[in-house]
Amino acid sequence: DGGITQSPKYLFRKEGQNVTLSCEQNLNHDAMYWYRQDPGQGLRLIYYSQIVNDFQKGDIAEGYSVSREKKESFPLTVTSAQKNPTAFYLCASSTSPSSYNEQFFGPGTRLTVL
Amino acid sequence: AQKVTQAQTEISVVEKEDVTLDCVYETRDTTYYLFWYKQPPSGELVFLIRRNSFDEQNEISGRYSWNFQKSTSSFNFTITASQVVDSAVYFCALLPGRDDKIIFGKGTRLHILP
Repeated sequence: DGGITQSPKYLFRKEGQNVTLSCEQNLNHDAMYWYRQDPGQGLRLIYYSQIVNDFQKGDIAEGYSVSREKKESFPLTVTSAQKNPTAFYLCASSTSPSSYNEQFFGPGTRLTVL
Repeated sequence: AQKVTQAQTEISVVEKEDVTLDCVYETRDTTYYLFWYKQPPSGELVFLIRRNSFDEQNEISGRYSWNFQKSTSSFNFTITASQVVDSAVYFCALLPGRDDKIIFGKGTRLHILP
């Protein structure tokens, strides 16, 4: 079955710790995205990558980092510099670098900072 | 400003009623794309429709229909004969023509009561 997997589904972190969220896709999509969702806030773009070994900052990149070493994988690291990291994180991919194409979403990771 | 407004935060209707979700957008571009996504309780967003700014034809897909009116900058979504499975958060989104980042509205949470 083709799709996007995110792990873990729930993640707890202590303040001051870095944590990495996994996102893998087997759809052979070139573009991948990370969004953050807060209650009543909709989705906000953190980072996106249109091709392997390249990525761009979204609207709220501060306190986050990404890598795109493989087409299938786009991990997101939430660093200790992110002041309010508790949120629902969604990964998405699309067939080509243009956001015109529909985005396919993973099931999300809910991060809670204790 | 580039913006999407979904004024209805939460709507509840009884099953089999029709319901319309409003979406108003702002963009200075003449070429742009509009989207609707559904987010069921499982979390991942599901693509429903994409519309480009040059195509004002209304679209119907089963119980779903969309009304795109450039004169009022609106792209409303109607569910006819609603069902409990339609309960979800629905997002309207805008891709301005000169950008590669989708702008999401804050979403409308729809409750279909049995």
